[in-house]
Amino acid sequence: QKEVEQNSGPLSVPEGAIASLNCTYSDRGSQSFFWYRQYSGKSPELIMSIYSNGDKEDGRFTAQLNKASQYVSLLIRDSQPSDSATYLCARRAGGFKTIFGAGTRLFVKA
Amino acid sequence: DTAVSQTPKYLVTQMGNDKSIKCEQNLGHDTMYWYKQDSKKFLKIMFSYNNKELIINETVPNRFSPKSPDKAHLNLHINSLELGDSAVYFCASSQDSQTGRDKFFGPGTRLTVL
Repeated sequence: QKEVEQNSGPLSVPEGAIASLNCTYSDRGSQSFFWYRQYSGKSPELIMSIYSNGDKEDGRFTAQLNKASQYVSLLIRDSQPSDSATYLCARRAGGFKTIFGAGTRLFVKA
Repeated sequence: DTAVSQTPKYLVTQMGNDKSIKCEQNLGHDTMYWYKQDSKKFLKIMFSYNNKELIINETVPNRFSPKSPDKAHLNLHINSLELGDSAVYFCASSQDSQTGRDKFFGPGTRLTVL
């Protein structure tokens, strides 16, 4: 069983729409969750961290965490072609380890 | 200035060779990591050092040996390279390793084993 599950996509949305990316995890004890963005051929870049149930907003990005249902989501409002990338969901495991999902590829069509 | 740097960016070599990848961070972080990203984009941790001490050593063949001469540097040496070692290797660093905030990744080293 994979520890962090994501739909690999691709998820295609038109420019200006809301892109919704979802992630589930298996360890109920997880406390810290992250979304990374990775452009093709580039390194992952942390864009959101969330530690508490509910929503956390940062600009056009909103992270949502539901620990009871063990899912994390990322909403991107007013999607732009420059948002086209792979989005990696991750959780903090015990100690110093971060476990990544396989990522969801997002395409924003102009 | 680059926060986490790696050299080389590309590495093409023959099976059986030994190669090294170097990583340096100028962020003053205490913890550094090596991750491997395979062709399916799955990013998996290999090693982590905190203040030069090895704290994570995942199930990685012992052909892979990390070395941290100081907390700003973490190198990865690979012996007897195999075809399956072909991947992108990312170095990363973080300050608050317990909470995982602000993990910065280097640009990656694309290793191709022929």
